[in-house]
Amino acid sequence: DAKTTQPNSMESNEEEPVHLPCNHSTISGTDYIHWYRQLPSQGPEYVIHGLTSNVNNRMASLAIAEDRKSSTLILHRATLRDAAVYYCILRGLPINDYKLSFGAGTTVTVRA
Amino acid sequence: DTEVTQTPKHLVMGMTNKKSLKCEQHMGHRAMYWYKQKAKKPPELMFVYSYEKLSINESVPSRFSPECPNSSLLNLHLHALQPEDSALYLCASRNRAKNTEAFFGQGTRLTVV
Repeated sequence: DAKTTQPNSMESNEEEPVHLPCNHSTISGTDYIHWYRQLPSQGPEYVIHGLTSNVNNRMASLAIAEDRKSSTLILHRATLRDAAVYYCILRGLPINDYKLSFGAGTTVTVRA
Repeated sequence: DTEVTQTPKHLVMGMTNKKSLKCEQHMGHRAMYWYKQKAKKPPELMFVYSYEKLSINESVPSRFSPECPNSSLLNLHLHALQPEDSALYLCASRNRAKNTEAFFGQGTRLTVV
């Protein structure tokens, strides 16, 4: 499985943007980039995913580098509720039933 | 309904006990997953079921026995566990046919004494 590398932790102030980087230099052409987050004492929840183009949804934006070897999750205005561990995952191939294998993730702290 | 429901929320069991964890979803998802998560670590994939058949076993010890009796239900049978098996056990489901997100349950917090 292709691996991802993320910083261990990031801090942000409330209502400021947060840019979370993810390196995936061994990504293959068919790997989708998925982001999940896990709030304290909860199961992970989906944030966003993409293949080549940048993506936006109500939670965040995903910027994917042209060579696809890295991506950045952008939280436009952090709130206290955004404090969580954020995981960047390369979704596996159909032959592997699209398995989701989590890396270490980035712990995001939001200061009031 | 986009919920994955796991029961029980908490479970304490002895090393000689047999217990089961249950996971249920009614979204019509035909891929279901079990993960194990130790404190301050990421979830580790244990099993994947696809169309009610076991498709991936990530070399999990046989004291963990998964079962998928129908398309809505996933069980994890536990027997002769060790204290180091204490963890949060997470279930997830996904639309097998589409490139969509996985939905996770809130987990079962298992303590083996």
